[in-house]
Amino acid sequence: EAGVAQSPRYKIIEKRQSVAFWCNPISGHATLYWYQQILGQGPKLLIQFQNNGVVDDSQLPKDRFSAERLKGVDSTLKIQPAKLEDSAVYLCASSLGEGLQETQYFGPGTRLLVL
Amino acid sequence: GEDVEQSLFLSVREGDSSVINCTYTDSSSTYLYWYKQEPGAGLQLLTYIFSNMDMKQDQRLTVLLNKKDKHLSLRIADTQTGDSAIYFCAESTTSGTYKYIFGTGTRLKVLA
Repeated sequence: EAGVAQSPRYKIIEKRQSVAFWCNPISGHATLYWYQQILGQGPKLLIQFQNNGVVDDSQLPKDRFSAERLKGVDSTLKIQPAKLEDSAVYLCASSLGEGLQETQYFGPGTRLLVL
Repeated sequence: GEDVEQSLFLSVREGDSSVINCTYTDSSSTYLYWYKQEPGAGLQLLTYIFSNMDMKQDQRLTVLLNKKDKHLSLRIADTQTGDSAIYFCAESTTSGTYKYIFGTGTRLKVLA
C-alpha cells in the first residue's frame, strides 16, 4: 500500500512570495490533515478535511494560508504572501475516517525556508 | 488552554530501558498517542491508549497512564540504536477548538 505522498520535499522562497504544497493521501482515506511543524516543536494542526469538506480550520491563518481538497482526494496548501515565520515543515496526514481512534498516517513533509 | 509537555532530551545505553514522560492539561482527552519521528521523515504512530485504561503493552513498548496526574509515559525495553529518534506525545479531545495536540517532542539518543 502506497503511503501519503507530498511534494515538493524542499522549497526555498523569499518573503512575500507565494508557495503551494501538494498532498496525495492513502487511497480510500476520507480524512486529510495539514500540520505545521516549526523546528524544535511538535506538529500543529492547520486544517482537517473530511472528504472535500472542512472539519476544523481554527488554527489556519486565513489571511495568508488557504487549502482545498476539491475532489475529496488530493489537497493543496497555499501560502500567499509568505513570512519569515512560516519557515517550517508542512506535514500532510490521512486517516480512514474521522474518529479520534483512527490512525493518522503521515507523509514525509515539505520543508519550507522563507528568506 | 490545552498543553502537552515533554522533556527535550534523553540519552540511554543500548540494551537499557528508556522512559519518556509527558504531561497534558486537558482532562477530557479521549486518546493519548506516542509517535516516532526519524530524521527527515514524517511521524509514525507507535501506540495509543484510551483514556479509561491504565496500561497498554505492545512488544517492547509499555504505555502507562495516570489520569489523576495527567501523566503519560512510554517505556521502551531493551533499547536499540534504531530507536534513536524524536518521540512525540499527543492527545485528542472532543472539547474545545482543537482535536489533536502534540507535545514538543523528546529526542532519544541511544549510545552503543
